[in-house]
Amino acid sequence: KQEVTQIPAALSVPEGENLVLNCSFTDSAIYNLQWFRQDPGKGLTSLLLIQSSQREQTSGRLNASLDKSSGRSTLYIAASQPGDSATYLCAVNSGYSTLTFGKGTMLLVSP
Amino acid sequence: EAQVTQNPRYLITVTGKKLTVTCSQNMNHEYMSWYRQDPGLGLRQIYYSMNVEVTDKGDVPEGYKVSRKEKRNFPLILESPSPNQTSLYFCASSLYMRLTTDTQYFGPGTRLTVL
Repeated sequence: KQEVTQIPAALSVPEGENLVLNCSFTDSAIYNLQWFRQDPGKGLTSLLLIQSSQREQTSGRLNASLDKSSGRSTLYIAASQPGDSATYLCAVNSGYSTLTFGKGTMLLVSP
Repeated sequence: EAQVTQNPRYLITVTGKKLTVTCSQNMNHEYMSWYRQDPGLGLRQIYYSMNVEVTDKGDVPEGYKVSRKEKRNFPLILESPSPNQTSLYFCASSLYMRLTTDTQYFGPGTRLTVL
């Protein structure tokens, strides 16, 4: 059964810093991996999807990488802003008819 | 606009009073799913549907029912709600769920409190 772990559980940085969020998964046989953003009490917004054959995807200040063989993905946020404060969730599609989610990294960017 | 909608967004009810949370998507997706999110436990799947009239249990199906009579709608039914079903519920959809390009889209969530 797929298990997804996100480290760190919480992260606090000053505005302007570049930062990396980590996601690891136990079964490398995946279809894809998605990074989501969730604001408190709100829904999930899809940020990036990396297909199993891809190594990375970029959207604006966000860059996500995937190393399937080692079971790892990272989300890189460049020049962080207070508006980036949210919980970031990593989710793996292993073809079991569900996404397996990590518990998330709560990010706080202070002005 | 492509979206997944849920209603109601907030609901406070009492133990044993049947309720339905509706979910609708306008993207012609085959796959739909329900999750619940609880502090410390993360997101867990309740039920999913690969296509019309095809539904199956997820990780935490006890106390819930679903139906998929039309492609766009996937209601979640709580026949006799109990306080341990107090949670934040999300509906999600994707085209097939078995393609590497499949992005899963989530609704805005329904916050349910059962007294």
